[in-house]
Amino acid sequence: SQTIHQWPATLVQPVGSPLSLECTVEGTSNPNLYWYRQAAGRGLQLLFYSVGIGQISSEVPQNLSASRPQDRQFILSSKKLLLSDSGFYLCAWVAGFRGYTFGSGTRLTVV
Amino acid sequence: AQTVTQSQPEMSVQEAETVTLSCTYDTSESDYYLFWYKQPPSRQMILVIRQEAYKQQNATENRFSVNFQKAAKSFSLKISDSQLGDAAMYFCAYLPQGETSGSRLTFGEGTQLTVNP
Repeated sequence: SQTIHQWPATLVQPVGSPLSLECTVEGTSNPNLYWYRQAAGRGLQLLFYSVGIGQISSEVPQNLSASRPQDRQFILSSKKLLLSDSGFYLCAWVAGFRGYTFGSGTRLTVV
Repeated sequence: AQTVTQSQPEMSVQEAETVTLSCTYDTSESDYYLFWYKQPPSRQMILVIRQEAYKQQNATENRFSVNFQKAAKSFSLKISDSQLGDAAMYFCAYLPQGETSGSRLTFGEGTQLTVNP
């Protein structure tokens, strides 16, 4: 069966520090992968998506970047975090007409 | 561009009663999928129900059912016999069929559902 792993679950980082969030998928090959951000009590904002290794599309200009070094690995990064980067980050992959399967999320607090 | 609108930021229902959450969407496509996701306090996104646009029959999953009106571009979720565990944020989402670049899911802003004992 297909599963998606996302870590860490929570993270508190100082302003100006780097960031690396990782997402991996098991049980499928060549998935479309996505990074979303959710502010408290709000909807989901698509940040990046990838249709294959090394292929990254950015939806929103920002302080973040994404990479896909392996088929089933998707990484969200920042060189220097801003206070506005705080939020809940969700990784997802698309299972065709069944919709998305989401990771358990990372709660990032930038202090 | 596709948009999804949930006009009810908050809803409440008494335990064992029925509640309907509204969703409208805008698209020029004829083939697509629609979803309702549930996000409980744990913030894990859980798929509740999905609907293929080419199907006229409304989808049902146990106590959850939808009223899909394609011409009106409306996709409401009905929860019957509401339970305390149904309390969550509910998101309506749209996915175009056969999109070759990305299969990007568009979400509404969500409806926070409270279930009162």
